[in-house]
Amino acid sequence: DGGITQSPKYLFRKEGQNVTLSCEQNLNHDAMYWYRQDPGQGLRLIYYSQIVNDFQKGDIAEGYSVSREKKESFPLTVTSAQKNPTAFYLCASSIKGGDEQFFGPGTRLTVL
Amino acid sequence: AQSVSQHNHHVILSEAASLELGCNYSYGGTVNLFWYVQYPGQHLQLLLKYFSGDPLVKGIKGFEAEFIKSKFSFNLRKPSVQWSDTAEYFCAVNALPPQFGSGTKLNVKP
Repeated sequence: DGGITQSPKYLFRKEGQNVTLSCEQNLNHDAMYWYRQDPGQGLRLIYYSQIVNDFQKGDIAEGYSVSREKKESFPLTVTSAQKNPTAFYLCASSIKGGDEQFFGPGTRLTVL
Repeated sequence: AQSVSQHNHHVILSEAASLELGCNYSYGGTVNLFWYVQYPGQHLQLLLKYFSGDPLVKGIKGFEAEFIKSKFSFNLRKPSVQWSDTAEYFCAVNALPPQFGSGTKLNVKP
């Protein structure tokens, strides 16, 4: 069953703690993406990666970090430097950069 | 800078009404254009896409979109909406980096 897995579905953290969101795909896609979805603001790109061991900042990368050590995995760390981390986070992948994207179910992060 | 604008943030229609959602983009090069849909409680999924060729593209569930290069537009249309079309719709440019519009929430009244 091919697709994109994001875990957990809901995540709660205390202010000041770093938290890592998981994203795994078994579609053999080269490109992966992280978005933040807030009401009325659409999807805003945090980071994207076109190939293993390479990634680029998106529009709102401040306070976030990523790694791409394996083709199938693209974890996102929300650091304590992110001023407003409570949001819905979506991971996506595509065969290569610029292609149709396939989305995961998302992780809703709440920072208390 | 690249951008995607969706003009309607919230649209309410009755069943069988016609739908047109506006999308304009700002980008200097060749673009791939997409419409994605997010049904309540479901993943974002592709509705239709334009890469090249016929500027009128057809997607799933009777949706279509027309690419008008001179107007930098890629509007989404459906002749007759159903209650099951209630969802949020996003226009996107898959240049690198990709850009999404702010979304349009469509509410179809039965």
